[in-house]
Amino acid sequence: NAGVTQTPKFRVLKTGQSMTLLCAQDMNHEYMYWYRQDPGMGLRLIHYSVGEGTTAKGEVPDGYNVSRLKKQNFLLGLESAAPSQTSVYFCASRDGTLGDTQYFGPGTRLTVL
Amino acid sequence: KQEVTQIPAALSVPEGENLVLNCSFTDSAIYNLQWFRQDPGKGLTSLLLIQSSQREQTSGRLNASLDKSSGRSTLYIAASQPGDSATYLCAVRRGGANSKLTFGKGITLSVRP
Repeated sequence: NAGVTQTPKFRVLKTGQSMTLLCAQDMNHEYMYWYRQDPGMGLRLIHYSVGEGTTAKGEVPDGYNVSRLKKQNFLLGLESAAPSQTSVYFCASRDGTLGDTQYFGPGTRLTVL
Repeated sequence: KQEVTQIPAALSVPEGENLVLNCSFTDSAIYNLQWFRQDPGKGLTSLLLIQSSQREQTSGRLNASLDKSSGRSTLYIAASQPGDSATYLCAVRRGGANSKLTFGKGITLSVRP
């Protein structure tokens, strides 16, 4: 049982390049989330999904797209990276039942030059 | 809009001290509150989850309390150890299975040997 995993762990992009971050969970969770964490700003929700095939915008969705084609995977895409997207990205999941715990992945550190 | 505050932002204590970390939230209509630990360069690990109907939860040397009416939670760490050094974040979920967590910015704890 690996929990929540994220690929890649580190990435450096040039402005305008695109990339996809992959999140995978093996707990059969319905809900999945993408956050970014920046110094002084705390954790901010980018997009989330309440089940396979669904996605919704969070607090800071601009510049990002997501897809949840399979229940266990949640992809975060940057179509044209900007320096402002330099951050640490965390994926999380939960089963959606009453009183459930939210589990986080180890994070992806992204630098956009 | 729910706001979660954790003060101070950083705390340094000698080993063996009992300590209390505070968390306050502006909207008392919460569903549950969760305390997380984050080690440098790592993801978040759930420590304790308190449902709105509960007053406290305990796990080992950790005890978390919740006072919904006053919008406050505390995380008590008994007999602190250098291994407890980390950032501690609290997060509240407002209501319903679909609602999202609102995070505080965390308290960075350093336990000196």
